[in-house]
Formats: sequence, structure tokens, C-alpha cells
Amino acid sequence: EAQVTQNPRYLITVTGKKLTVTCSQNMNHEYMSWYRQDPGLGLRQIYYSMNVEVTDKGDVPEGYKVSRKEKRNFPLILESPSPNQTSLYFCASSLWSDGGNSPLHFGNGTRLTVT
Amino acid sequence: GNSVTQMEGPVTLSEEAFLTINCTYTATGYPSLFWYVQYPGEGLQLLLKATKADDKGSNKGFEATYRKETTSFHLEKGSVQVSDSAVYFCALSFVGSGGSYIPTFGRGTSLIVHP
Repeated sequence: EAQVTQNPRYLITVTGKKLTVTCSQNMNHEYMSWYRQDPGLGLRQIYYSMNVEVTDKGDVPEGYKVSRKEKRNFPLILESPSPNQTSLYFCASSLWSDGGNSPLHFGNGTRLTVT
Repeated sequence: GNSVTQMEGPVTLSEEAFLTINCTYTATGYPSLFWYVQYPGEGLQLLLKATKADDKGSNKGFEATYRKETTSFHLEKGSVQVSDSAVYFCALSFVGSGGSYIPTFGRGTSLIVHP
């Protein structure tokens, strides 16, 4: 089954403790992206990757890191989480090389709480 | 730059009522247009799409027509059900001449359907 898998689904942590949220897709998509969703603010893009070893900042990259060493994986790293990073996070992937006609495929989300 | 504007919610309807959620866009070039749906506790999933002017996308009784002259992609359903309660996102994607690809989302419209 074609899917984007994020882990964990729920995460509670303390300020300053480094964490990684994993994302993996099995559709051979070139494009992968991370979003955060906050009430009243919609989806905001954190980082994206057009292909392996190619990453770029989105709208709200501060406090986050990503890497794209393999096509299928795109982990999100919070080196020193702070309470304002409490949010619902989504990973997504798509096949952008068809001119943007393909939709994004989303994971089920990771709800992060930083105390 | 590209942008998507959709009506603010929540939209509250009784079961079997007619639904319209307005969406307009601004884009350089000719984007593909999408509606995504997010059910409670889940990630976004594609509801329907249209890739060129006058195309109609349809799925699960929902329809939307790509109107280039009014730069709109309004979502409609003739008779909503309680199970349609969700958040609906209008989106566009477009690959620029330089190979840039940044999907753009509206803020989402919450739909609440009462029995």
C-alpha cells in the first residue's frame, strides 16, 4: 500500500531535549516536505526536499533541521525543542516531476508537546 | 507569488443541506488545483483535483470546476452527511520554469454537519 509513515504519533518531551520525528514513503517520490498545523494558522511549511541531498527552508524553519540521505526518508530534527514548537506535524511527499499534477500524500501526523 | 484564499469557517449545516466552500487562487502560470480533506485525528488526504481549465474533479459526491476566468475552484456537494464533518483545504501546485515547486494551501475550512 502506498503510504507516508511518520513516527511517533504522539510525543511529550521537555525543553532542550533533542528529538527526531521520522518520515518514510514507499512511492519513490522525489519531493518531501514537513508542515506544522496550528489552530487558526493553517499549514505552514517548515522544510522541503526536491530530491536526495537537496533541502531548502520553508516558511518557518527556525529551530528545525532536516536531512535527505535516502530518497524514502526525511527525518525532522529538533535540536533544542521549546514550548512554541508544540504543534501537530505532518510529513508529505509527491511526484513533482509530472509538472505538479500529482497530489501530496500525507502521513497521519505527530502531535508534539514540549513542556 | 502564489496564494490560495478560502472562506473561513466553521460552516455549520444540517444533514442533506447543500454545501459550497469558496476557493480562489492567485498564481503565475497554470497550476493544478486540489481539494484535500482532513478528518479528525488524521492527515490530509486528496478529495479531488483538476489539472486544467474547465476540468471538473469529483469524488464521494463532491465536485469542483477549474474556472480560469474567475481563478476559482469552489467545492460543492448536493447533500451533506454527518460523516462529511471535517476540515477542507484548497490547494494549488505549479512547477516554475526554473524547476521550483512549492505547493500552496489555503487556511482550511471546518465543516460541521448536524443530524
